[in-house]
Amino acid sequence: SQQGEEDPQALSIQEGENATMNCSYKTSINNLQWYRQNSGRGLVHLILIRSNEREKHSGRLRVTLDTSKKSSSLLITASRAADTASYFCATDASNFGNEKLTFGTGTRLTIIP
Amino acid sequence: NAGVTQTPKFQVLKTGQSMTLQCAQDMNHEYMSWYRQDPGMGLRLIHYSVGAGITDQGEVPNGYNVSRSTTEDFPLRLLSAAPSQTSVYFCASRNTGTGGSAFFGQGTRLTVV
Repeated sequence: SQQGEEDPQALSIQEGENATMNCSYKTSINNLQWYRQNSGRGLVHLILIRSNEREKHSGRLRVTLDTSKKSSSLLITASRAADTASYFCATDASNFGNEKLTFGTGTRLTIIP
Repeated sequence: NAGVTQTPKFQVLKTGQSMTLQCAQDMNHEYMSWYRQDPGMGLRLIHYSVGAGITDQGEVPNGYNVSRSTTEDFPLRLLSAAPSQTSVYFCASRNTGTGGSAFFGQGTRLTVV
């Protein structure tokens, strides 16, 4: 079964609003990563947060990680039409002898101009 | 620097035919992997490799074979295609040991009729 589950499955917001997506996972991790996928394309890495970090920022992206709840959230501020895409979280347990990168089911984000 | 290159981009097979999906990376990454992406199911890991000569099964390995004779190449073989293997296939690579981010190819859209 997949490690990560994103919530919600789909999200539609007006341009300029903030978008928040959540990810829950099941086992101990080394880090958690977020990726974006534009329609018909490969995934692109956005941001990585390590298990000893609680919050990380990159431009308009803010990621939080709560290892006690095994959950993470991705916040996109001041959304733009170009942010329309699917977003996936992925867990890395490489410090636990598991090199696999396991993805969740994704959140489909639509920004309405 | 090409990154991860997948070929072909599109393929139609008849049930029972065999084929090989090619994947090559030029970043000297030890870890390479194959995922399939189906609607509503996110990315599911088929096989992965942590170095030349080393491969292991992922979440959905049945019907697929892999080999890793060089660091650069990680082909995925479908021995006898079935309609259930209709999907979009992605190859990815990343550094191991440091828990790094993954780089994806552009995908292969496979239809089995």
